[in-house]
Amino acid sequence: SYVLTQPPSVSVAPGQTARITCGGNNIGSKSVHWYQQKPGQAPVLVVYDDSDRPSGIPERFSGSNSGNTATLTISRVEAGDEADYYCQVWDSSSDHPDVVFGGGTKLTVL
Amino acid sequence: EVQLVESGGGLVQPGRSLRLSCAASGFTFDDYAMHWVRQAPGKGLEWVSGISWNSGSIGYADSVKGRFTISRDNAKNSLYLQMNSLRAEDTALYYCAKDTSPLHRTLFDYWGQGTLVTVSS
Repeated sequence: SYVLTQPPSVSVAPGQTARITCGGNNIGSKSVHWYQQKPGQAPVLVVYDDSDRPSGIPERFSGSNSGNTATLTISRVEAGDEADYYCQVWDSSSDHPDVVFGGGTKLTVL
Repeated sequence: EVQLVESGGGLVQPGRSLRLSCAASGFTFDDYAMHWVRQAPGKGLEWVSGISWNSGSIGYADSVKGRFTISRDNAKNSLYLQMNSLRAEDTALYYCAKDTSPLHRTLFDYWGQGTLVTVSS
């Protein structure tokens, strides 16, 4: 089955840029979606189809995807961005299509 | 405003059954596929099952296939998950999630707050 690998944690100071990676075999050929989950809350879609933002999501959130790595970039990080972030793809490459989530990355704002 | 409200969770013994419900409002329910996604305590997200707008296409994670059944009632704007032969590893917060497509695009733009299922003797 397809595997998405994320770093368990990323730390960044306020105002700096946070980059959260999501690794997968030839992930660049797939559409990657990113979700933000704050403690005790449901996930929220922050980036879809690699780099598009839903309405209401700040422009500080952006995404890219190429080769074996997709990246969620959060510019000018704020304390309110502290959360768990999950990448997700639809893997149709096998005879058993599946929804795959990465293990999640905890973003800590120092 | 889109609202998804899950119910039906609780404490259940291993091997028993439970039926979850998700009441949807604020959008045209039968225009979209719907999904269940779960999260074990302190763990990440795991897709459980999805169903297309007309129930014509259904999918399950390998971990629940043969034990769980997803269904929907478009007249009642409701999504269901029948869970049989429950195991301790099914313990999780179960989220109802709306797809952005009638079919399985598997892009989840709205989530409920979840209902907790605890499987324990």
